[in-house]
Amino acid sequence: GENVEQHPSTLSVQEGDSAVIKCTYSDSASNYFPWYKQELGKGPQLIIDIRSNVGEKKDQRIAVTLNKTAKHFSLHITETQPEDSAVYFCAASRSGNQFYFGTGTSLTVIP
Amino acid sequence: EAGVAQSPRYKIIEKRQSVAFWCNPISGHATLYWYQQILGQGPKLLIQFQNNGVVDDSQLPKDRFSAERLKGVDSTLKIQPAKLEDSAVYLCASSSQGAGGYEQYFGPGTRLTVT
Repeated sequence: GENVEQHPSTLSVQEGDSAVIKCTYSDSASNYFPWYKQELGKGPQLIIDIRSNVGEKKDQRIAVTLNKTAKHFSLHITETQPEDSAVYFCAASRSGNQFYFGTGTSLTVIP
Repeated sequence: EAGVAQSPRYKIIEKRQSVAFWCNPISGHATLYWYQQILGQGPKLLIQFQNNGVVDDSQLPKDRFSAERLKGVDSTLKIQPAKLEDSAVYLCASSSQGAGGYEQYFGPGTRLTVT
């Protein structure tokens, strides 16, 4: 089955700085790569996603890049704010089926 | 638009007891997922339904876990008998999977503690 690895497990940045979280996957058939933000006591919330036919996608301060050849994708958050503090998960899926999640990155934005 | 509803939010049981969780997906969403999230880990897919049919249950421990979605809307996940290692948050998610949309929307989860 699919194996998704995520790094780093914890990340602290100063407010206004950028944060980068990286994931690798093993199944070349995976074609959908979402990122989720999970706050304490809540379910994961989709923040951005990318499909295998696209190399990069941006939504305001958040961007995701995908390298299909190397089987890795990354989340970039610019101009971080304290409210960005949360646990972030990457995932890989085959067309909305067989979702596999990474182990999570706890992001702390220091005011 | 109402989100994914789950109940109960918290449950404490003793090992070997049984427990059931309920999920009501977003209206019109044909695809429903159940995940297990152990503390400090990412969600692990247990079972995926498309309408009332099972798409994937390869990671469901079928000797103790069962799930159903009889009318293609609400779903229940049951554990019988529970073990200590079943302590986790059980998340339900739904997706329309219409026109190639794969986005999942998660409920708040049910936190299960097995003592």
